[in-house]
Amino acid sequence: DTAVSQTPKYLVTQMGNDKSIKCEQNLGHDTMYWYKQDSKKFLKIMFSYNNKELIINETVPNRFSPKSPDKAHLNLHINSLELGDSAVYFCASSQTGIEKLFFGSGTQLSVL
Amino acid sequence: DQQVKQNSPSLSVQEGRISILNCDYTNSMFDYFLWYKKYPAEGPTFLISISSIKDKNEDGRFTVFLNKSAKHLSLHIVPSQPGDSAVYFCAASGRGGADGLTFGKGTHLIIQP
Repeated sequence: DTAVSQTPKYLVTQMGNDKSIKCEQNLGHDTMYWYKQDSKKFLKIMFSYNNKELIINETVPNRFSPKSPDKAHLNLHINSLELGDSAVYFCASSQTGIEKLFFGSGTQLSVL
Repeated sequence: DQQVKQNSPSLSVQEGRISILNCDYTNSMFDYFLWYKKYPAEGPTFLISISSIKDKNEDGRFTVFLNKSAKHLSLHIVPSQPGDSAVYFCAASGRGGADGLTFGKGTHLIIQP
């Protein structure tokens, strides 16, 4: 029973397309995150949501729009995909005030 | 501007010996530190953590040491086992995690039989 699940695992698409990555957690956590691991292997935070409210919004192009329909879901929508968006995107969750994050298995996005 | 640095991209250790992974940080507001382990095609999984009020935390074969004055922490694995081969990420947080975790670049640990 996967705690943090994200789909799809692999996503190959053309430049200029719009795509979404879905994330769900069944841990009962109230904070969810999106992290990006780029080609240099850095894991960087993009967004965090607490109880469906945006808490952290790092310097990310506004082509990236997170959406949290409820506290168990945090989806990432990306408009007008660019080559530089190619990376692995990880969803994570935690309980507020507890720094231990639980990660999904990642979505490998390749923009051609 | 790397606030968490892992200067060794890879480390090779013989099975049964001690593995020592190092991590340095620059932000003195960090007060909680974590180590994550990552296998290929999987997400990072939590391994062990330490609060800045402590200088050591132990969990089975894994021990994390924190030297606040040097802004340095290390992860010791003893004895090292083949299943320990993975990428290890050091992470730090401050303000009760309000800013999320800041990660290092990772160290690829290879355990030689």
